[in-house]
Amino acid sequence: GDSVTQMEGPVTLSEEAFLTINCTYTATGYPSLFWYVQYPGEGLQLLLKATKADDKGSNKGFEATYRKETTSFHLEKGSVQVSDSAVYFCALSDLNSGGSNYKLTFGKGTLLTVNP
Amino acid sequence: KAGVTQTPRYLIKTRGQQVTLSCSPISGHRSVSWYQQTPGQGLQFLFEYFSETQRNKGNFPGRFSGRQFSNSRSEMNVSTLELGDSALYLCASRVGISTNEKLFFGSGTQLSVL
Repeated sequence: GDSVTQMEGPVTLSEEAFLTINCTYTATGYPSLFWYVQYPGEGLQLLLKATKADDKGSNKGFEATYRKETTSFHLEKGSVQVSDSAVYFCALSDLNSGGSNYKLTFGKGTLLTVNP
Repeated sequence: KAGVTQTPRYLIKTRGQQVTLSCSPISGHRSVSWYQQTPGQGLQFLFEYFSETQRNKGNFPGRFSGRQFSNSRSEMNVSTLELGDSALYLCASRVGISTNEKLFFGSGTQLSVL
């Protein structure tokens, strides 16, 4: 079945440091890939997505590139801020499952803490 | 526009009881999904409803059930609660059932089973 593996952390960085959170996946079809963010006490928010190989998703300074050859979708940000402290989830939806079977498969999440 | 609303925010139950959680999707959204979030298993898909019909179900026992009403509001029910059912239950809505549509999540219901 589909699965997502991401570095679990926690990750602690100083403000303005470079961030990478690794994510790799296994899927039978042609998945779309997502990064979601969860701030304390809140639900998940879509951060960015990519729907096909070599696509780059970007939002709020975060980027991730869909790499089919390495089955990866690593999240990066050049300069993190304190306000980026949250839990980050990598996820996929497998289009091969068909629209009637839509669901997201998530990684375990990575807690990021950014110190001033 | 109001977001996805889940009630109650917190719930404490004892083993063997049953519980019902409620989810009101964003106005105009007809699809509602439920996810269970635990520290050990992470986020796991429970089921999705569209137009009052269950369209997909995850690998959970029959104690977990749900339904959707004509106004798209959804409820999920867990019967004969077990300690392992303690989790954050997240509801998400989207407009329809296209695979490219964005999911909007609620803040969740935190269920504690004692």
